[in-house]
Amino acid sequence: EVQLLESGGSLVQPGESLRLSCAASKFAFSSYVMAWVRQAPGRGLEWVSTITETSGDRFYADSVKGRFTISRDDSRSTLYLQMNSLRAEDTAVYYCAKTFKLRGTARNFDHWGRGTPVTVSS
Amino acid sequence: DIQMTQSPSSVSASVGDTVTITCRAAQDIGSWLAWYQQKPGKAPNLLIYDVSTLQSGVPPRFSGSGSGTDFTLTISSLLPEDFATYYCQQSKSFPLTFGGGTMVDIK
Repeated sequence: EVQLLESGGSLVQPGESLRLSCAASKFAFSSYVMAWVRQAPGRGLEWVSTITETSGDRFYADSVKGRFTISRDDSRSTLYLQMNSLRAEDTAVYYCAKTFKLRGTARNFDHWGRGTPVTVSS
Repeated sequence: DIQMTQSPSSVSASVGDTVTITCRAAQDIGSWLAWYQQKPGKAPNLLIYDVSTLQSGVPPRFSGSGSGTDFTLTISSLLPEDFATYYCQQSKSFPLTFGGGTMVDIK
């Protein structure tokens, strides 16, 4: 059974930085496109970022572009999200999600972690 | 960006009812449409992808249809465990976008 375990979420002040991690197991991590999706309190789902296999391509939502960086360490089967210049509107539960290939793309999420909460407040 | 609009935002139903949720894309997304179920305090769960393909383990009372810009998720013979929030998602292009969600609650 695929396992994704996020960590690193906490309470931070506006302007501060935070790095989230997602430890993956029970699947061939290096072969899959991975992503972060977030959910603000009481709100819907918002895709944040995607990274392809071997970190060849990275994609970001406009709301985080230039502030967040997605990366992966295939030797550790771990996905990261470096979040800088955090804002109150970044407050959310951040989910790590695994994708699967469909007609040559990988943009749907078949496994999700339990999420890690990030609160940005002074 | 491709905006996804779901309706209704909430629906009350009884066990055994059939519920239909609509998702509209702001532009043609072909068949690049998925549905997720989310229960309170839990991560989302993939139900359907490619408009109508059931994810492994998803019961056949869930079905999807549509193409282009208009899509539906139908839940037949509602069971107690189906009361949840449902989201559509387009996977045609980045940025990936979700609908606002439809909460199915008990009447």
